[in-house]
This record gives sequence, C-alpha cells and structure tokens, in this order.
Amino acid sequence: AQSVTQPDIHITVSEGASLELRCNYSYGATPYLFWYVQSPGQGLQLLLKYFSGDTLVQGIKGFEAEFKRSQSSFNLRKPSVHWSDAAEYFCAVGPYNAGNMLTFGGGTRLMVKP
Amino acid sequence: DGGITQSPKYLFRKEGQNVTLSCEQNLNHDAMYWYRQDPGQGLRLIYYSQIVNDFQKGDIAEGYSVSREKKESFPLTVTSAQKNPTAFYLCASRGQETQYFGPGTRLLVL
Repeated sequence: AQSVTQPDIHITVSEGASLELRCNYSYGATPYLFWYVQSPGQGLQLLLKYFSGDTLVQGIKGFEAEFKRSQSSFNLRKPSVHWSDAAEYFCAVGPYNAGNMLTFGGGTRLMVKP
Repeated sequence: DGGITQSPKYLFRKEGQNVTLSCEQNLNHDAMYWYRQDPGQGLRLIYYSQIVNDFQKGDIAEGYSVSREKKESFPLTVTSAQKNPTAFYLCASRGQETQYFGPGTRLLVL
C-alpha cells in the first residue's frame, strides 16, 4: 500500500529565509507526486507535480521540488519565504497509470516570522 | 471561468438529520472525488466516481452516500448513520492525471 510521511507537523521560518519541507513516500512503482497548499478555510491549490523526466520541478509562487528515487523523497523548497506563504502544505502520491487514487501526507503547517 | 464550486460554505446538521453537500465542476472532467479533512489528519477519501452513473467507496465511506447522474455534479449526502460528521469536506475533479479541488464545505453539528 502506498503511504506518505511529512515528518514536520509545524515549521517556523523568518521572512526572507529559505524553506525546505520534507516528504517521504512509499510506493511500489513509479509514482506521481504532488505538492498542494491550503490556506485556512480554503481548498487545496496545486503547487507542482512530478510525473517523469527532470527530477527538479518548478511550480507556482517560486516553489520547486526534487524527486529522489533512492531516498523515496520529494522535498519542497523555496529560496526566500514571504509572509503570504504561511499555510499548510500537503504532499501526495498517486499511481503512475491512473492518478485517480491519491494518498496524502498529514500536512506541514508553515508559520512565517516577520 | 472554469473551476469547481462547493455549496454551502458552512452547513449545520441536527441530530438524526441527513444533509447534502453540493459539488459542481465545469472543467469537463470525468473523475470526481470527495475527501474528509480533520485537523492534523490530512485528507481521507470518502467516495470517488470515474464516470457518470458509477462510483466507488473510498477508505471511509460508512455513513455517507453519493450519486453521479450528471458529469458536472457529484453531491455527497452525510446520513444520520455518520456519528461524527463534524469536518471540512473537499470535492475534487481530475484532469490530465491531476486532481483539482473546490473551496470546501465545513459541516458542524448542532
């Protein structure tokens, strides 16, 4: 069965500092990987996704993520955090050939200090 | 303006009452999903539908029901059998192997 672990429940960074959110997955085949962001009381917005090809993927709002098959990881990064990035971030994994069944991690809540 | 709409934004349920959450999409997507979100638990799949007139149970289907009579609509009914319905409910549809989400409905019990 597939699973996703986001080891950090809460992270606090200063505005302008770099950010890395961790995501580890367990999946028996080539995964589809996603990062979503959720502001309080809102739905999930897609930040970026990885299906195949270049293992470093660029997303919206200046985010990027790197797929590392050997480490079963898909960490999200941003070089300089803005106060508006404060939100909850979810990593998700799905099957290669369908994408219909996503498994989500528990989420990481990001707080940004001024 | 294409997207997914959910209504209402807030819904209150009385003891023993069935309530229905609406989800509509104009993205022409075949597949649609319902998730439940509880604090600190991520998202859990309730039901999904890959095509009109067909749907499948997800991980936590007990106490819920759905229908899929039209491609653009996938309503979720929270029945009186669901003893702990207080949660945030998210609807999604899938296009190009990616799920896109609506704004959510928060269900509260009176």
